[in-house]
Amino acid sequence: DGGITQSPKYLFRKEGQNVTLSCEQNLNHDAMYWYRQDPGQGLRLIYYSQIVNDFQKGDIAEGYSVSREKKESFPLTVTSAQKNPTAFYLCASSLRSVGEWFNQPQHFGDGTRLSIL
Amino acid sequence: KNEVEQSPQNLTAQEGEFITINCSYSVGISALHWLQQHPGGGIVSLFMLSSGKKKHGRLIATINIQEKHSSLHITASHPRDSAVYICAVRFWGAQKLVFGQGTRLTINP
Repeated sequence: DGGITQSPKYLFRKEGQNVTLSCEQNLNHDAMYWYRQDPGQGLRLIYYSQIVNDFQKGDIAEGYSVSREKKESFPLTVTSAQKNPTAFYLCASSLRSVGEWFNQPQHFGDGTRLSIL
Repeated sequence: KNEVEQSPQNLTAQEGEFITINCSYSVGISALHWLQQHPGGGIVSLFMLSSGKKKHGRLIATINIQEKHSSLHITASHPRDSAVYICAVRFWGAQKLVFGQGTRLTINP
């Protein structure tokens, strides 16, 4: 079955440490996204990528970095510059329709819950 | 300001009841999404619509463009429908989705 796999499910970060969240999809989708979810708030966009080797900042990119070296993979690194990293992180993907790509249904992974030690 | 408001924030009902969850937004949109978030955190896309009405099983989504309002209905609700339902919109000219805070639905047997 096609889908999105996020790992790990739970992750703990020490002070000053960078951690990387994995996101892999086998849906042959061009577009991929990273969202952050905090209690009582709607999902917020961190980064998104429409195509391999290209990505754009979302609303809350500070303290995060991404890469898109392969179509299937869009890892997110939470750097030590992100002072409040405790949150639930969701990766999603969708088909890409030029000019209207946010109008495609997004397929989500099961999320990674990141906490500070 | 581009905003999305959902109501109610929490909803508890008995099995079999007809459920309505509402979503209002501030300005014109090109698409509206309804999503379901399971207790474990995973999210499933239920509907994407820009006009009219869509139906899938016991779920019905409607949108009124003039009133800037959408509703998600669940007929013959069941405890397995218990989840957080999220509305998200793409405002005209925007390059991202704006998400509502979600409605937590609990269906008791």
